[in-house]
Amino acid sequence: DTEVTQTPKHLVMGMTNKKSLKCEQHMGHRAMYWYKQKAKKPPELMFVYSYEKLSINESVPSRFSPECPNSSLLNLHLHALQPEDSALYLCASSLGTGGRDTEAFFGQGTRLTVV
Amino acid sequence: DAKTTQPPSMDCAEGRAANLPCNHSTISGNEYVYWYRQIHSQGPQYIIHGLKNNETNEMASLIITEDRKSSTLILPHATLRDTAVYYCIVRRFGNTGKLIFGQGTTLQVKP
Repeated sequence: DTEVTQTPKHLVMGMTNKKSLKCEQHMGHRAMYWYKQKAKKPPELMFVYSYEKLSINESVPSRFSPECPNSSLLNLHLHALQPEDSALYLCASSLGTGGRDTEAFFGQGTRLTVV
Repeated sequence: DAKTTQPPSMDCAEGRAANLPCNHSTISGNEYVYWYRQIHSQGPQYIIHGLKNNETNEMASLIITEDRKSSTLILPHATLRDTAVYYCIVRRFGNTGKLIFGQGTTLQVKP
């Protein structure tokens, strides 16, 4: 199994809603990532988890709250988002973060629309 | 991590080789060159990576110049399904996991 599964595929939420994005992998990877991608732009790194601990936060606003409950799961909790947060949210995983084998596998993303 | 420069777009005829260049003139000795691609509305897909030697896998070949200041990704027989944005990324060994995407090259394979 070389898949990273993200749910839901599409999400529409209001600015006062609370929602969560989920990401799952069963490749035994110990590093997991959240990226945000706006239309016609490259993906931008948001968070990196290594061995279930948050290792990088790229100055992401607190309305985005990541969580790594175990080595296979990664969540992104959303609260009080703004319309400009509408984007494709991508999850990725890799065997580790610092060795040679850092090929990252990406999910298909969750397309989020904030209304 | 070193910055990369890629042409914004390229065309290639179906069945021909697609050669995608990348300039990384500030690369340092412990930085790898990675290539990913992103087909429309999908997540990025890993293609290949290398340090200084040329590399080949079932998807592509990676040619890195001797001074390591530039590289070329070669898709030997491009198909319509290879139409995508191709990202060249330089990543330091042991860099805590950051994979930073540049603007990439949009490759259009034409029949």
